[in-house]
Amino acid sequence: DAGVTQSPTHLIKTRGQQVTLRCSPKSGHDTVSWYQQALGQGPQFIFQYYEEEERQRGNFPDRFSGHQFPNYSSELNVNALLLGDSALYLCASSLAGTEGETQYFGPGTRLLVL
Amino acid sequence: ILNVEQSPQSLHVQEGDSTNFTCSFPSSNFYALHWYRWETAKSPEALFVMTLNGDEKKKGRISATLNTKEGYSYLYIKGSQPEDSATYLCAHESASKIIFGSGTRLSIRP
Repeated sequence: DAGVTQSPTHLIKTRGQQVTLRCSPKSGHDTVSWYQQALGQGPQFIFQYYEEEERQRGNFPDRFSGHQFPNYSSELNVNALLLGDSALYLCASSLAGTEGETQYFGPGTRLLVL
Repeated sequence: ILNVEQSPQSLHVQEGDSTNFTCSFPSSNFYALHWYRWETAKSPEALFVMTLNGDEKKKGRISATLNTKEGYSYLYIKGSQPEDSATYLCAHESASKIIFGSGTRLSIRP
């Protein structure tokens, strides 16, 4: 049973560029959440996708957008990259239901913006 | 409390000793409190999801309690082992978002 997978593992971009990160959820899961973790901080919630729609969103600018596909996999897109976007980006999947659903995390994509 | 706060930030414990740390969170608009263990170079691993005031959960030597009225949760580790070395994260889930604390970094001295 494959867990949550993310690609790529590492990425280097320059300011102003655009980046796409990918996530495949754990088998049987239908909900994908994205988080940004800067050094020394806890993961910051970016948004959550369910049934191919953005269900919840954290305090991130519109430069951060996403998509969920019919197979439940998801992409995170960041436009006009800033140096401050350098971080570890984590994807977590879960099964929609009542509150308190357990999230399973992927290994993350480490993005460096130069 | 408006944010999720964890204390202490880091902790060094002798192998075999027991330890505990705290997660403080907003008591309003509460859905669930999550605890995760995050070992270096691995993915965060879910430990507990707690939803009811007074909840107590246990997994081996690790246990957690929840007080939603005053907005805190304790994580306890009994008889610490080297494999317990990790960052322990808590997260407060409300209707609109999940907010993580910055974590408690636990190091076990052999």
